Amino acid sequence: GENVEQHPSTLSVQEGDSAVIKCTYSDSASNYFPWYKQELGKRPQLIIDIRSNVGEKKDQRIAVTLNKTAKHFSLHITETQPEDSAVYFCAASKRGSQGNLIFGKGTKLSVKP
Amino acid sequence: DAGVIQSPRHEVTEMGQEVTLRCKPISGHNSLFWYRQTMMRGLELLIYFNNNVPIDDSGMPEDRFSAKMPNASFSTLKIQPSEPRDSAVYFCASSYGQISYEQYFGPGTRLTVT
Repeated sequence: GENVEQHPSTLSVQEGDSAVIKCTYSDSASNYFPWYKQELGKRPQLIIDIRSNVGEKKDQRIAVTLNKTAKHFSLHITETQPEDSAVYFCAASKRGSQGNLIFGKGTKLSVKP
Repeated sequence: DAGVIQSPRHEVTEMGQEVTLRCKPISGHNSLFWYRQTMMRGLELLIYFNNNVPIDDSGMPEDRFSAKMPNASFSTLKIQPSEPRDSAVYFCASSYGQISYEQYFGPGTRLTVT
């Protein structure tokens, strides 16, 4: 089955710097890759996703890139702000799985003012 | 839409007691997922349903755990008997299957077993 590895487990940056979180997946049939943000004590919420027919997607300060050949995808946050501090989860899913997501272990991002 | 609804939000129980967690998915969604989250193990998928049918329960830790979805608007996760190691936050999420894989999470139930 699918296995998703996520690095780093913790990341600390200064406000205004960029943050990059990387994930690898094992199942070449996976074709949907979302990123969820979970603030302390809250539920995970989708922030951006990408499908396998696209190499990059941007939404304001966040972007996701996908390398299908290497089976890895990354989340990029530019101009980080203290409110970006949270745990970020990557996930992978494949067609026909009814949307079953396999999540990475999460990255705790701390943005220092 | 009220989003995914879970109850109770907090549950404290003694070891050996039965615990039932409840979930109401977003109306119209046809997939429902139960997750357990702990610091040590992260976010683990326990079981998921599609059109009220259990599809994959390989994440259910042991026979003490069971889940049902009697209709499209209600699901339960039961632990009997509960043990201290079951202490965690349990999330329910729903999605609209083939249309969109985005999963909407409920607020979670924080379970403490003493």
